[in-house]
Amino acid sequence: DAGVTQSPTHLIKTRGQQVTLRCSPISGHKSVSWYQQVLGQGPQFIFQYYEKEERGRGNFPDRFSARQFPNYSSELNVNALLLGDSALYLCASSWWGRVYGYTFGSGTRLTVV
Amino acid sequence: KNEVEQSPQNLTAQEGEFITINCSYSVGISALHWLQQHPGGGIVSLFMLSSGKKKHGRLIATINIQEKHSSLHITASHPRDSAVYICAVRRIGKLVFGAGTILRVKS
Repeated sequence: DAGVTQSPTHLIKTRGQQVTLRCSPISGHKSVSWYQQVLGQGPQFIFQYYEKEERGRGNFPDRFSARQFPNYSSELNVNALLLGDSALYLCASSWWGRVYGYTFGSGTRLTVV
Repeated sequence: KNEVEQSPQNLTAQEGEFITINCSYSVGISALHWLQQHPGGGIVSLFMLSSGKKKHGRLIATINIQEKHSSLHITASHPRDSAVYICAVRRIGKLVFGAGTILRVKS
């Protein structure tokens, strides 16, 4: 079985641009979460989606948005990129409704210049 | 004060040593996770705990719900154990992470 796949693996963007990151969960997992990890820090929660609906949102500005598709894959969009958005963006998939473990993707390394 | 605190921040050990990484949290949780992150970023889930103790190979994780504390132990450490170990608590459906412990095991 494929694990959680994220694309692209690396990305360089210029300040002010927009970026879309993609995540495909493990087959059968209906919940996808997004996390931002700045160098030297632990990941920070951005969004959680289940059945195409937003179920949780972290303390991030409105420049950050996400959606989940009928096949449970997800996209994270960031508009008007700032230098501080440079980070590793991690996607995790899980079951919903009970306390199950998470499976993480390898992340997308975003560099804003 | 962060909701999840880990100690130590950095740890260097000699191959074969017994290692302990600690995690304290200040909020109610439904589960606690120990994760391993290697250079390059990929995160691997090691344990999910809601009570007691779990063991997998040379890794042991314990949690004390009353004291809001968990420990990750590595027995007979090996250079391949070198990584960042992160404690994360599950709270209201999301994970809240500690800052991680950078472990380096020297041969």
